[in-house]
Amino acid sequence: EAGVTQFPSHSVIEKGQTVTLRCDPISGHDNLYWYRRVMGKEIKFLLHFVKESKQDESGMPNNRFLAERTGGTYSTLKVQPAELEDSGVYFCASSFTLGDSPLHFGNGTRLTVT
Amino acid sequence: GESVGLHLPTLSVQEGDNSIINCAYSNSASDYFIWYKQESGKGPQFIIDIRSNMDKRQGQRVTVLLNKTVKHLSLQIAATQPGDSAVYFCGDSGAGSYQLTFGKGTKLSVIP
Repeated sequence: EAGVTQFPSHSVIEKGQTVTLRCDPISGHDNLYWYRRVMGKEIKFLLHFVKESKQDESGMPNNRFLAERTGGTYSTLKVQPAELEDSGVYFCASSFTLGDSPLHFGNGTRLTVT
Repeated sequence: GESVGLHLPTLSVQEGDNSIINCAYSNSASDYFIWYKQESGKGPQFIIDIRSNMDKRQGQRVTVLLNKTVKHLSLQIAATQPGDSAVYFCGDSGAGSYQLTFGKGTKLSVIP
């Protein structure tokens, strides 16, 4: 079974530019999550999809971040315009049954904003 | 949510010894706890989880202990191997919430 895959693995952009991160969850997993780890800090929740619907987006830092999951399969996370403090590692995770199965994480996208 | 913290940022153990990684959580409403292992350049890898209606759960070479009285979680690794070297994160979520709250992690180094 393929795991959660994320693309790209690394991205370096300049302040003010736009970046789109992609996540392909494990096939059959309705629940998809975005987390991020800023340097020296804990991994923090961003948002949670159930299929194509946003279940909880309380962790999204501001309106420069937009997550979508059209069709309930893969998800994208767009940062526009990027700021220096957006640098970090963005993790995607998916799970099968809500509350009864652990989250499986991808390897993350390391975003550097210069 | 409230933060979950780790007692020690680093831990070194001799190969073959048992490792114990500790975690304290602050949210008394948390009812689900989980341990992840993260190797360099990879994402967190699930190790073991436990619900608040249990105080102990065993897996292959790993045991998680939950003490709800003092809000303490620990991960025990038996016969630690070099491949166990990684950063270990604990996480928790509260009733009705599926947000995991993580600590900063403990770096485990296994001395051959």
